[in-house]
Amino acid sequence: SQQGEEDPQALSIQEGENATMNCSYKTSINNLQWYRQNSGRGLVHLILIRSNEREKHSGRLRVTLDTSKKSSSLLITASRAADTASYFCATLNSGNTPLVFGKGTRLSVIA
Amino acid sequence: GAVVSQHPSWVICKSGTSVKIECRSLDFQATTMFWYRQFPKQSLMLMATSNEGSKATYEQGVEKDKFLINHASLTLSTLTVTSAHPEDSSFYICSCSGTETYEQYFGPGTRLTVT
Repeated sequence: SQQGEEDPQALSIQEGENATMNCSYKTSINNLQWYRQNSGRGLVHLILIRSNEREKHSGRLRVTLDTSKKSSSLLITASRAADTASYFCATLNSGNTPLVFGKGTRLSVIA
Repeated sequence: GAVVSQHPSWVICKSGTSVKIECRSLDFQATTMFWYRQFPKQSLMLMATSNEGSKATYEQGVEKDKFLINHASLTLSTLTVTSAHPEDSSFYICSCSGTETYEQYFGPGTRLTVT
């Protein structure tokens, strides 16, 4: 069953603006991951944050994790048209268990 | 990261026929492989989990006799969609978990269209 819930479901911004997507989940996790998916294509792993971490950066990406609220956020700074895609959070409970995906946020960056 | 391939990348078949999709881990041994299905504009839904040499574990609502999974080696798993129907048209994605059990690596997906 779906665990993560992304918010918003769709987001449209101008190039250069920041995009923030949120994810909530229901059970204890080992780590939380964010993926990007261009239309009709496979998944691209963006970043993994472990349950004992609170914030992580990778280039223009910033991810936060609040285990007390069971939520995470993904911030994309200085967005580009090429960032247009669907973004999914996925949680991992323990080793060799499957990732559970949220419903995703469809981001549109307008040039 | 590790490389996972899927073959074919897309396939069109007629209703009633069977289609086999391969998932290969190219540079590591995949202890566990997962199969997901994604309908248009929806998220990935787990279909089944397979461990090398044992029977796959299917999620609730997924027919094991319709979606046959074989994980014969540590580098290959296959998903066979039997007696395909148009409603089986979807994007099928596999992922592999190796010795670093907290990371999964995804294949590029296979788009199945049943006419």
